[in-house]
This record gives sequence, structure tokens and C-alpha cells, in this order.
Amino acid sequence: QKEVEQNSGPLSVPEGAIASLNCTYSDRVSQSFFWYRQYSGKSPELIMSIYSNGDKEDGRFTAQLNKASQYVSLLIRDSQPSDSATYLCAVNMGGAQKLVFGQGTRLTINP
Amino acid sequence: DAGVIQSPRHEVTEMGQEVTLRCKPISGHDYLFWYRQTMMRGLELLIYFNNNVPIDDSGMPEDRFSAKMPNASFSTLKIQPSEPRDSAVYFCASSPGTSGSPRRGTQYFGPGTRLLVL
Repeated sequence: QKEVEQNSGPLSVPEGAIASLNCTYSDRVSQSFFWYRQYSGKSPELIMSIYSNGDKEDGRFTAQLNKASQYVSLLIRDSQPSDSATYLCAVNMGGAQKLVFGQGTRLTINP
Repeated sequence: DAGVIQSPRHEVTEMGQEVTLRCKPISGHDYLFWYRQTMMRGLELLIYFNNNVPIDDSGMPEDRFSAKMPNASFSTLKIQPSEPRDSAVYFCASSPGTSGSPRRGTQYFGPGTRLLVL
């Protein structure tokens, strides 16, 4: 089992709809969870961080964390073509500073 | 504020040559990370430093790879000798760490160095 798993996609969503991205992780003691967005040819940039169970909202983005199920998700409301990118889920492992990244989900928003 | 700075942005070299990648972290960040990204393997952590000291180098693929951090504002990743399978994008990232930061543990990435070994 991979430490951090994501559906690689591609995930195709019509403009204006909700895009839902999912991630599961293997380490029960993980405390910090991150979603990064990476445009083609660019570096990963932070979208959301979440540390506690429940939902965290920031503009059109909502991160959801369920530590019991070892599951973290990202919802993008009112999807825009500019949201088309690869989304990387990252989890700290074993309480350490290092992050383990999933393979990423490629998201395409269709106008 | 300046972000993480990496150089060169692109490097093309021939097999067997030495390659040195450079990174300047964000000022005040205590942690520095080196990653490699390929289509097949995704984003892999190679090594990370805390206060200039290497903490975990378990991701360094083999002895051909070495990394140093002589001071808080500079790090290098060296490949000697380089091989075609080393072709990838190499990212440097820095982090303020997890204590007392509102975005604890967040890593900020540099623009990357795209390496091609022929």
C-alpha cells in the first residue's frame, strides 16, 4: 500500500460545477495535511492546509479531513478553467517534518 | 518577499559529467528539502536539512548523489557522475517548521531545475 494515494485521473468537470479530489493515507499519527496545485511546467503551490478533523473553507476551496478514516479531500466550487492543473495531496509522516506526496490528480475544467 | 531561489533553471549535460544544482531558501526558514519529480515516480523527497544539518537522506538514490548546506542561505545538490536516468525536475523547498507557525509544516517550493542528461 502506498503511503499517500490519489486517483491519478484525469478528472474532467464542467465549468461552474464542483470538483471533488480525494486522498487516503496510511500513517495514523499524521498531523498535517496539505493540498498543492501544480500547473504544467511549474512548481507546486500551496492551496490549503488542514490539521483538525472537519471542514476548512477558503474562498472556493474546502478541505475535509477525517482522521479516523485516514481520508482527506478537496472540493473546488464554481470550477473555472484556470483550476485545470494537477492537485497533489501531501501528508507528514510519523510526526516528522517531511511530507509524503501522492501521485497527483490531473483535473480538467471544461468550458 | 523573495521566495525560494534555484539555479540553474535548465541544465543539459552529457552522461558522466558532474552536475551541481543550487538553492537559496526563504530567509528565516529552518528546514530545506530537495525533491525530484518524474512522470513515472512523481515527487520524491531526496534529503532534508534542519538548521543546516542533514536529517534524513534515505531518499538519495545512490552514492552518485550528494547534498550540502554550508550555511542557512545556501544548499547544493550534486550528481557525479550523471546518468540519463537522472533526467528529471529537481525542486528545492523550505519550511519554517511546525512550531508556532500559523501554517506549520508548510513547504514553499522553488521554481525547479529541469535537468536533461544525454
